Amino acid sequence: SQELEQSPQSLIVQEGKNLTINCTSSKTLYGLYWYKQKYGEGLIFLMMLQKGGEEKSHEKITAKLDEKKQQSSLHITASQPSHAGIYLCGADWDSGGGADGLTFGKGTHLIIQP
Amino acid sequence: EADIYQTPRYLVIGTGKKITLECSQTMGHDKMYWYQQDPGMELHLIHYSYGVNSTEKGDLSSESTVSRIRTEHFPLTLESARPSHTSQYLCASSEYGTAPETQYFGPGTRLLVL
Repeated sequence: SQELEQSPQSLIVQEGKNLTINCTSSKTLYGLYWYKQKYGEGLIFLMMLQKGGEEKSHEKITAKLDEKKQQSSLHITASQPSHAGIYLCGADWDSGGGADGLTFGKGTHLIIQP
Repeated sequence: EADIYQTPRYLVIGTGKKITLECSQTMGHDKMYWYQQDPGMELHLIHYSYGVNSTEKGDLSSESTVSRIRTEHFPLTLESARPSHTSQYLCASSEYGTAPETQYFGPGTRLLVL
């Protein structure tokens, strides 16, 4: 079974609307990373969450990590065409701090309709 | 913005050829990683390195090899390319000792083996 699950797999949202993407881990996270990927390109780092209950924001994107450190949500307010892309969460379960790389979810494909 | 570079960005090559994918970073990071991403699929770690002369295999078995002779350079080599090697290869780096470690990604190399 998948250790890190993202939902939804794809999302079509009208421009200006809010949206939420979820990432659920099968075990307690040491760190949770959110990245954005344009089709066929590399990953752009958005945010990293480590503490239970932590919340971070960057422009119109807010990410939260639950108290149990097993679920994170990414919320976009007033979506814009520039938000379109693939959003990936990456899990670090190792207290050594990602020494062996991250485990990624399958991603959420976000399409913004004008 | 991360200073990590990958060349070539796109490569179309025939079966049996030897290829080297280049990855360089100017951030002085000790840790470097190679991930493989098939279309529509999640990233899988294939190699990583803690520093010069250190190379480790990742979660996903790969016929590729890596070397780390210089801190800033982490090339990936396929001795004899096959169509099954067709994929996107993403290089990343992170600063060792900053737990958790944020990984910064290059733009990727899209490989097509005919």
